[in-house]
Amino acid sequence: AQKVTQAQTEISVVEKEDVTLDCVYETRDTTYYLFWYKQPPSGELVFLIRRNSFDEQNEISGRYSWNFQKSTSSFNFTITASQVVDSAVYFCALSGPRSNSNSGYALNFGKGTSLLVTP
Amino acid sequence: ETGVTQTPRHLVMGMTNKKSLKCEQHLGHNAMYWYKQSAKKPLELMFVYSLEERVENNSVPSRFSPECPNSSHLFLHLHTLQPEDSALYLCASSQDLAGSYEQYFGPGTRLTVT
Repeated sequence: AQKVTQAQTEISVVEKEDVTLDCVYETRDTTYYLFWYKQPPSGELVFLIRRNSFDEQNEISGRYSWNFQKSTSSFNFTITASQVVDSAVYFCALSGPRSNSNSGYALNFGKGTSLLVTP
Repeated sequence: ETGVTQTPRHLVMGMTNKKSLKCEQHLGHNAMYWYKQSAKKPLELMFVYSLEERVENNSVPSRFSPECPNSSHLFLHLHTLQPEDSALYLCASSQDLAGSYEQYFGPGTRLTVT
């Protein structure tokens, strides 16, 4: 079975602080994909990044960076110099093949981490 | 319009009402999804459609009835709902069902059942 754990329910930081959101996953598949989504108060989930299981290169996009480590089954997300606009709920998700469904792949979401950045 | 749109954004309905949620994607995708997001719970996948064919129904009560008339439109018909059905209903689309494709989400419909 696939599972995504985001142990941090809520995080509060002051603007300009760095913050890391943790994501730990479980899967028996050798091919899988990891995602991060941002859900601002407006409700819409915004896609941030996708990583496949064969690519452990870390990625940086502006103030965002992601650290994928298969050895610890983690895919952590760091925001550098946080801003108030970063306040949102962040979801980590795992996609892998499903043997009991015609839908091919299932996207399993963690429970999300609510990030509050205050001025 | 771009991306994935959903209407209405907010809906209040009584337990005996019948209403429909609408989703439209302008991305040329082949797969569409309905999710339910309740407070304190992970996102729950409800239905999956690929090329207008339903490929998954995750044990959703029959009071929720999806319809996909074409690859751009997805509806969720609601009837005789319960108060515990109050939630944010999110529609999403992806290029196809392969797990490598990210899903793009609409803004959701905030449903309150009274």
